[in-house]
Amino acid sequence: GQNIDQPTEMTATEGAIVQINCTYQTSGFNGLFWYQQHAGEAPTFLSYNVLDGLEEKGRFSSFLSRSKGYSYLLLKELQMKDSASYLCAVKRGNDYKLSFGAGTTVTVRA
Amino acid sequence: DVKVTQSSRYLVKRTGEKVFLECVQDMDHENMFWYRQDPGLGLRLIYFSYDVKMKEKGDIPEGYSVSREKKERFSLILESASTNQTSMYLCASRISGGNQPQHFGDGTRLSIL
Repeated sequence: GQNIDQPTEMTATEGAIVQINCTYQTSGFNGLFWYQQHAGEAPTFLSYNVLDGLEEKGRFSSFLSRSKGYSYLLLKELQMKDSASYLCAVKRGNDYKLSFGAGTTVTVRA
Repeated sequence: DVKVTQSSRYLVKRTGEKVFLECVQDMDHENMFWYRQDPGLGLRLIYFSYDVKMKEKGDIPEGYSVSREKKERFSLILESASTNQTSMYLCASRISGGNQPQHFGDGTRLSIL
């Protein structure tokens, strides 16, 4: 099986930076996805990492360390619309499947 | 843009009923998935289909079945609904191969009374 852990909740102030950590234990690791899900809406794809290092996409960045089984999603210049759940998902081998963490709910306060 | 459409946003059914949840995607994706999402548990995979008429069990298939007669449509069936199947159900699709992301529908909130 796979063990994927992320914090349940985080709160930050508008304009600040928040880092959402995700740790995993899995054999045959073959990539990690981050999704954003606003309340009552579909999860939407944010980023994908398979090699060690940082991937930057505008205000959002995602980092991966395969040796440590660790990833983080960094949200910069927080806006109220960033209040959402952020889901970490791991792909194993050539599986079609993803295994998801329970998600981190981020609340941005004015 | 990929569009994954689930037939109902909200559904209320009674214990013992046979329930059908429908999902349609418009991007000719080979792979389709059904998840349920419960607080504190995240998304759990029920069944998936890697191509037409193909299906495989996910992590929690008990009490469910699926049908994929056409490439664009993937149906989830609750054979005899029970109260513990009250949940949010999410459908997703993706292009086969590589590390293409999954694209999700808006979900169906199903209540079994």
